[in-house]
Amino acid sequence: QVKLQESGPGLVNSSETLSLTCTVSGGSINSYYWSWIRQSAGKGVEWIGRMSSRGTTNQNPALESRVTMSVDTSKNQFSLKLSSVTAADAAMYYCVGKGLLTGFVYWGQGILVTVSS
Amino acid sequence: NFMLTQPHSVSESPGKTATISCTRSSGSIASNSVQWYQQRPGSAPTTVIYEDDQRPSGVPDRFSGSIDSSSNSASLTISGLKTEDEAEYYCQSYDSSNHWVFGGGTKLTVL
Repeated sequence: QVKLQESGPGLVNSSETLSLTCTVSGGSINSYYWSWIRQSAGKGVEWIGRMSSRGTTNQNPALESRVTMSVDTSKNQFSLKLSSVTAADAAMYYCVGKGLLTGFVYWGQGILVTVSS
Repeated sequence: NFMLTQPHSVSESPGKTATISCTRSSGSIASNSVQWYQQRPGSAPTTVIYEDDQRPSGVPDRFSGSIDSSSNSASLTISGLKTEDEAEYYCQSYDSSNHWVFGGGTKLTVL
């Protein structure tokens, strides 16, 4: 059973960079596409972007200029950086894995990020 | 890009059948797979249907998914409703660039 665990600071200062990591256990990071998704009361569920273990990325055009994603296959981790955060970026952030062959989607437990002004 | 439209809420009695629709605004619903996620209060979403109609192991067979090209919509049907099915349900698909698109969510009330 694949398990995903998000980690990172729960509080980020406005204008700074949000950095989150997702650790994958119970499966190979090479067998999935990895996405970041966030959820807030104001914007509902929003897809941020996805990355393959080979480094191919797709990003939400609305966030593309501020998003950097990376994969560390040696640690079975993938990461998100979101620069120049504002209050609008406060949300629950989830890492999500979609099986390359099965199409099944795994969700992490989520991490709540607050933006301080 | 397209939108996925879901009813804001659905209510049904225990033991009955509830159906939640997800209508694609443009392009064919059959063009890209549809997933359904269940989110109980205070918890992360979990997948109840993927690839239009596939049910993960551990999800009761009371849950089923389908696609209707005539209405350009997907549906999640839950039969034999239980109070534990009360949750928010989201549909999700992909656009031609493999960007994820989510519906606005449907609150299912079982009472």
